[in-house]
Amino acid sequence: QVHLVESGGGVVQPGGSLRLSCAASGFIVRSYVMHWVRQAPGKGLEWVASIEKDGINKYYADSVKGRFFVSRDNSKNTLDVQMDRLRGEDTAVYYCAKAILGGHDVDYWGQGTLVAVSS
Amino acid sequence: DIQLTQSPSFLSASVGDRVTITCRASQGINIFLAWYQQKPGKAPKLLIYAASNLHSGVPSRFSGSGSGTEFTLTISSLQPEDFATYYCQQLSSYPLTFGGGTKVEIK
Repeated sequence: QVHLVESGGGVVQPGGSLRLSCAASGFIVRSYVMHWVRQAPGKGLEWVASIEKDGINKYYADSVKGRFFVSRDNSKNTLDVQMDRLRGEDTAVYYCAKAILGGHDVDYWGQGTLVAVSS
Repeated sequence: DIQLTQSPSFLSASVGDRVTITCRASQGINIFLAWYQQKPGKAPKLLIYAASNLHSGVPSRFSGSGSGTEFTLTISSLQPEDFATYYCQQLSSYPLTFGGGTKVEIK
C-alpha cells in the first residue's frame, strides 16, 4: 500500500531555511516521477518542483527557482526539498506527491506539512 | 508557460444534478490533463488522468473528455460526497500548472 509522510514543516523567519522530507512506502521512489505541490491558506494548488525518474532532471516553478532544491535518497526511499531564502509568500501546506507509472499525473499525495514564514 | 482557465470558479448544484466543469489551456496539450477533487483540510485525490481515464476506485459517475485546448469534467449525478473543489492540471510540459479550481457547493 502506497504511503507518503511529509515532515520538517514549521515556523521560520523570512530569509531562513527549512528542509522538508517525504518518507515513501509501498513503492520505490526512484521508479516514479515525484513532485512537491503547495497550497497557500485559502488558495488553490501550486506546483513547486519535480524530479524525474533518472534523478538528474529536476524542474522548478519560477517562484522558487534558485531557492528550492529537490533531491531523492534512493537508499532511504525518501524525497526532500531544501528551501532557502524563504519569503512570506512561501507560507503554505506542502504536499509530497507520486506520479502514475509512466506519467506525471499524481495518483498519491501525502497528508501535507505546513510551512509558515513569519517574523 | 501554459495557463489553465477553469470555469465556473463556483457552482451551486443539487444532489442528482448533472455537473460540467470546463478547463481551457492557453495552448494545445494533447491529452495531458488530469482532474483532482479536494475536500477542506484534505489532500487532493486523482479522479481522471490523460483527459479521460478514470483512476482506480473513482465512481463511474465521473468522466472526463477533451483534447488539445478544451477539456471537461462531468459528474453525471451529483452525490452528497461530491461537494468539494475540483482542479485540472496540465502535464504536457514544465512548469506544470493547475487551474484555479471550481468549488461545487450545495444549492
